[in-house]
Amino acid sequence: GQNIDQPTEMTATEGAIVQINCTYQTSGFNGLFWYQQHAGEAPTFLSYNVLDGLEEKGRFSSFLSRSKGYSYLLLKELQMKDSASYLCAVMDSNYQLIWGAGTKLIIKP
Amino acid sequence: NAGVTQTPKFRVLKTGQSMTLLCAQDMNHEYMYWYRQDPGMGLRLIHYSVGEGTTAKGEVPDGYNVSRLKKQNFLLGLESAAPSQTSVYFCASSPPEGGYNEQFFGPGTRLTVL
Repeated sequence: GQNIDQPTEMTATEGAIVQINCTYQTSGFNGLFWYQQHAGEAPTFLSYNVLDGLEEKGRFSSFLSRSKGYSYLLLKELQMKDSASYLCAVMDSNYQLIWGAGTKLIIKP
Repeated sequence: NAGVTQTPKFRVLKTGQSMTLLCAQDMNHEYMYWYRQDPGMGLRLIHYSVGEGTTAKGEVPDGYNVSRLKKQNFLLGLESAAPSQTSVYFCASSPPEGGYNEQFFGPGTRLTVL
């Protein structure tokens, strides 16, 4: 079966750094996505990785290791507005997205 | 551009009632999707469409029907609503497959079935 695992909830302090991990087992791989979803709102795109390595975009970075079936999202200089759920999704061999349940990130002052 | 819009935003149904959720996108995207999101679970694909006049089943299609008569619209129907269909429904659209194809989401429809 296909499976995406990520922690249910994480807590971090404003100004700090947090790493959200995602492991996956899917039938085929056509890229891994990270989305942000604030409570009561729609998911919005953060990053896309299809090759191994680190992709940096401002305060957010995403890493992929295809051989390990592993990715992480790194958030630096945390702000209160970063309190949200972070969704990991893998595009399988049929070009459909398989979604993790999301990691709720709580930022404390 | 409005992006992806959904109507209605909220709805309460009684068991056995029917309804249609409307999704519209103005980005000229070929692909459109209907998902449901339940607490503690990832987004689950109900149905999707790869172009006007085409539809296909996703992971959880039972109890739902869809139509894509126009490229910009994707309708999701519940013929006889059940309490298990209480959920938040998201529509999304994306350019054709191949390479980087971010999905753009609508604001969601919160449906309660009593």
